[in-house]
Amino acid sequence: EAGVTQSPTHLIKTRGQQATLRCSPISGHTSVYWYQQALGLGLQFLLWYDEGEERNRGNFPPRFSGRQFPNYSSELNVNALELEDSALYLCASSSRSRDTEAFFGQGTRLTVV
Amino acid sequence: QKEVEQDPGPLSVPEGAIVSLNCTYSNSAFQYFMWYRQYSRKGPELLMYTYSSGNKEDGRFTAQVDKSSKYISLFIRDSQPSDSATYLCAVDPNTGNQFYFGTGTSLTVIP
Repeated sequence: EAGVTQSPTHLIKTRGQQATLRCSPISGHTSVYWYQQALGLGLQFLLWYDEGEERNRGNFPPRFSGRQFPNYSSELNVNALELEDSALYLCASSSRSRDTEAFFGQGTRLTVV
Repeated sequence: QKEVEQDPGPLSVPEGAIVSLNCTYSNSAFQYFMWYRQYSRKGPELLMYTYSSGNKEDGRFTAQVDKSSKYISLFIRDSQPSDSATYLCAVDPNTGNQFYFGTGTSLTVIP
């Protein structure tokens, strides 16, 4: 069974640009979570999508946004990139019946220069 | 106060040693506790998941929750070089799937 897949693996952007990160959950999972892992910091919760709806949002500015598609895949968009947005962005998925067991993808390493 | 606090390490042990990794959490209402292992340049991998208090064992790994002291631990027996990774504790407050993670403990097992 395929795990959570994220693309691209690496992304380099210039300050002020927009970045789009993609995530495909495990087949059968309806929930997708996005986390930011900056160097030296723990995983910081960004967004939670379930059944196409945004269910919860972490303490991040509105320039961090996303959506979930009918096939449960998800996009994370970061507008007006700042240098401190450089981090590993992790996507996780879980099923409704066992929503505490979240499985992570490999992440997208975003570098803002 | 952060929801989860974790000893950052780094921790370096000889092969075969018993490793103890620890976290504390702030809210006595938390009931779901997880341990993730993260290898360098990889995403976190779910190792253990426990509900409420007590111990849970899986091979060389034992997760322990002490709700009276709000303390969670992961023990690794007969540690192997392949166990070298960063270990993250996490709690699920069950209020919207916003897991709270510790900052991670870096472990190196020396052959």
